[in-house]
Formats: sequence, structure tokens, C-alpha cells
Amino acid sequence: ETGVTQTPRHLVMGMTNKKSLKCEQHLGHNAMYWYKQSAKKPLELMFVYNFKEQTENNSVPSRFSPECPNSSHLFLHLHTLQPEDSALYLCASSQGGGGQGSYEQYFGPGTRLTVT
Amino acid sequence: AQSVTQLDSQVPVFEEAPVELRCNYSSSVSVYLFWYVQYPNQGLQLLLKYLSGSTLVKGINGFEAEFNKSQTSFHLRKPSVHISDTAEYFCAVPYNQGGKLIFGQGTELSVKP
Repeated sequence: ETGVTQTPRHLVMGMTNKKSLKCEQHLGHNAMYWYKQSAKKPLELMFVYNFKEQTENNSVPSRFSPECPNSSHLFLHLHTLQPEDSALYLCASSQGGGGQGSYEQYFGPGTRLTVT
Repeated sequence: AQSVTQLDSQVPVFEEAPVELRCNYSSSVSVYLFWYVQYPNQGLQLLLKYLSGSTLVKGINGFEAEFNKSQTSFHLRKPSVHISDTAEYFCAVPYNQGGKLIFGQGTELSVKP
């Protein structure tokens, strides 16, 4: 595997379900990101991890819970979601540590989430 | 505060025609500017970046962009587009020093034969 991979690619879940999204990067990066992409809205940053530590939480509801066990893996745990949470969830990675390299982000293909 | 405005939500063009996708920014941190492209059913991919130096930046797939400080713009151009350039294009600027990017609303480029 190369680059940034995300699983599953598609997910349909009910509002009472619990599920997790997985992201893995094979680029040797130290920063990882979760973004939400909804139709007709700008890309929204959700969380940032630098060297496994969470450095940004963009006022995300607690029904979204991130986990970063190491610099290569990032999870997004989902529970009691709402229909308006249906979106494409994108994971990205970068060199981390701030500076120019942090802005060159490499994205996975995303998980298309539908909440019913 | 940092912000990015992409002036066109949709740009339809014919194949082999030139195209310009417009981006205006506002930034109080270091002026780094980025264009990302998202092909259908894929994540975003870095197209080009301005960090410093020459104001004309060349990227992948024949795209280029010009940083204009006086007009706070970073418009993306290609002299002759292909069907395969059909995608959504995002302009982005750093929000802070920690790697957070602010993205524009996106411009959907549709290339027709």
C-alpha cells in the first residue's frame, strides 16, 4: 500500500449504531488530520494530531471521537450520529511539526458516510 | 483573520480552451498559498504551492498560478484544458502555524468535448 488509505470506503449506519473509520498513512509523516466534506460546503477540519498528540479540535461534537495510537494510524469513532453527519470524511497526513511541510497534505480517498 | 474566496463555483469550458480559476485570500500569517484538486470519487491532491520566491508557480498537469500580493489573489490557469481536467479545485491558505489550512468553497471545472 502506498500513500494514505481509508477504510471502509462506504458506510451506512443507523443513528444508534457505533462504527469506526480507519486511516493509515505509508509516507512516514508525523501529522494526521480528519476533515468533513459536505455537499455545497467548504472542507471542514475536524481534528489534527501531531506526533500522536491532538493539537486541534475544531469544536467537533462529542459523538465523533478520534484516536491516534501511532503516527501511521488514525481512527474516527462514531456513535449516535445524526442524519446531518452524512458526508465524505477525508483523512490526510503531512510532515507535521508546523512550518511549510505541514501544509503539503496528502489525502486518502475518503469514507462516504450515510446516517439513516 | 484568514480567509479564502473562490469567485466561481462552476466553470464550464470546452476542451483545448484556456481556463482561469480565481482565488482571493486574506491572511495575517505567512503567505503560503495552495491549490488542491479533487477528481471524482477521490481525495484531494496538491496541484501547486507558493511559499516564496517567483510569483509564477508551476504545478502538475500543466497548471500554473500567479501570486499577486497587491490584489491578494492566486489565480490558477491552464492554457489548454483536457477532458481529464474535469474536477473540483480548491484554493487554500494556512490558518495558523500548526498545519491547519483554510480551504475555499471549491470551483467545479467541467471540460466538455
